[in-house]
Amino acid sequence: QKEVEQNSGPLSVPEGAIASLNCTYSDRVSQSFFWYRQYSGKSPELIMSIYSNGDKEDGRFTAQLNKASQYVSLLIRDSQPSDSATYLCAVQGRGGSEKLVFGKGTKLTVNP
Amino acid sequence: DVKVTQSSRYLVKRTGEKVFLECVQDMDHENMFWYRQDPGLGLRLIYFSYDVKMKEKGDIPEGYSVSREKKERFSLILESASTNQTSMYLCASSFGVGTGTSYEQYFGPGTRLTVT
Repeated sequence: QKEVEQNSGPLSVPEGAIASLNCTYSDRVSQSFFWYRQYSGKSPELIMSIYSNGDKEDGRFTAQLNKASQYVSLLIRDSQPSDSATYLCAVQGRGGSEKLVFGKGTKLTVNP
Repeated sequence: DVKVTQSSRYLVKRTGEKVFLECVQDMDHENMFWYRQDPGLGLRLIYFSYDVKMKEKGDIPEGYSVSREKKERFSLILESASTNQTSMYLCASSFGVGTGTSYEQYFGPGTRLTVT
């Protein structure tokens, strides 16, 4: 089983819609979870961190964590064409490691 | 704001050359990382450093070495560049364990290396 899995997409949504990005992970004891946004040809940019079960909101972004189901998601409300990018899910490595394990990313396209 | 800089955005080298990629961070982070990113393969960790002169192999260390003589600087060395090392190289840094935002990694702009 892969450590961090994301649907590769592409995911296409119309402008103004809610985009839902999903991620599952295999290590039950992971405590730290992150979402990165990566525009084409650019480096990943941290947009959300979440450490506790439940929802965490930051502007149009909401991260959701369910440790029992080993599932983390990112919702983007009122999607804009500028949100078109690849979104990477990252999970703290095994055994409390300071390394992160990254998913391969989901490519999101927001159509005007 | 965290700032991570890399010495070059684009680099073209010949097979067999020794290549140095430099990374500098200005946030006094303990941890620094080198990744490569290739289409379909995602981000892969090459090396990790958790302190000056301390390093740990990542998932794909073969053909690479690293140097960390100062806390703010982490160098990736390709001892003898090969065409299969053509890739985007990304440096990142993070605070050490025990700080409030440990594990959050901040990336530099990347170096696109082409080996011909």
